[in-house]
Amino acid sequence: GAVVSQHPSRVICKSGTSVKIECRSLDFQATTMFWYRQFPKQSLMLMATSNEGSKATYEQGVEKDKFLINHASLTLSTLTVTSAHPEDSSFYICSASPAGGSNEQFFGPGTRLTVL
Amino acid sequence: DAKTTQPTSMDCAEGRAANLPCNHSTISGNEYVYWYRQIHSQGPQYIIHGLKNNETNEMASLIITEDRKSSTLILPHATLRDTAVYYCIVRVGGGNQGGKLIFGQGTELSVKP
Repeated sequence: GAVVSQHPSRVICKSGTSVKIECRSLDFQATTMFWYRQFPKQSLMLMATSNEGSKATYEQGVEKDKFLINHASLTLSTLTVTSAHPEDSSFYICSASPAGGSNEQFFGPGTRLTVL
Repeated sequence: DAKTTQPTSMDCAEGRAANLPCNHSTISGNEYVYWYRQIHSQGPQYIIHGLKNNETNEMASLIITEDRKSSTLILPHATLRDTAVYYCIVRVGGGNQGGKLIFGQGTELSVKP
């Protein structure tokens, strides 16, 4: 149980285009989902906290207009990288916390974004 | 959330116990110690967590000092598949929604034949 999926696993896009990444909790409902970014040889950096039915809370230095987060249901959150540029190339990872009192976070497998 | 300090890297012989230390001297009374690991190009995997008592599960054991200022993750019989970056994180227990995790640099564990 407690499986989180991400789609797509890899995406290559041209500079200036927008890319949407989906994060799904497959066998549990997640009131809260988190989005992270990881550059090569670096640790995960929390970008934002996404709560179902409300606006996401962004970490300091993360542009909310560039990284659009939608958490429309208890099993799906999406991250849209708008007007992507080569410096946005990174490994994007989501995690989800089950509703109902669990302290655990379950991570997705990540999405590798390459912007040409 | 309190900050943690871990060695940058460690080696361990296959079949031996891997002991990964973590310092969290500024931990607060309501903060838990969590351990995750990340195998290359994958999402992090939950290992174990604890508040003040030692904990054990099928993956590992977590030993927390009495003053809670440090802890040790023990992989009792390391295998080559345990090669990964191990992250020690302290955070407030999240209740119904889970508090956010702030990742440090972690320890890169290399298990060698």
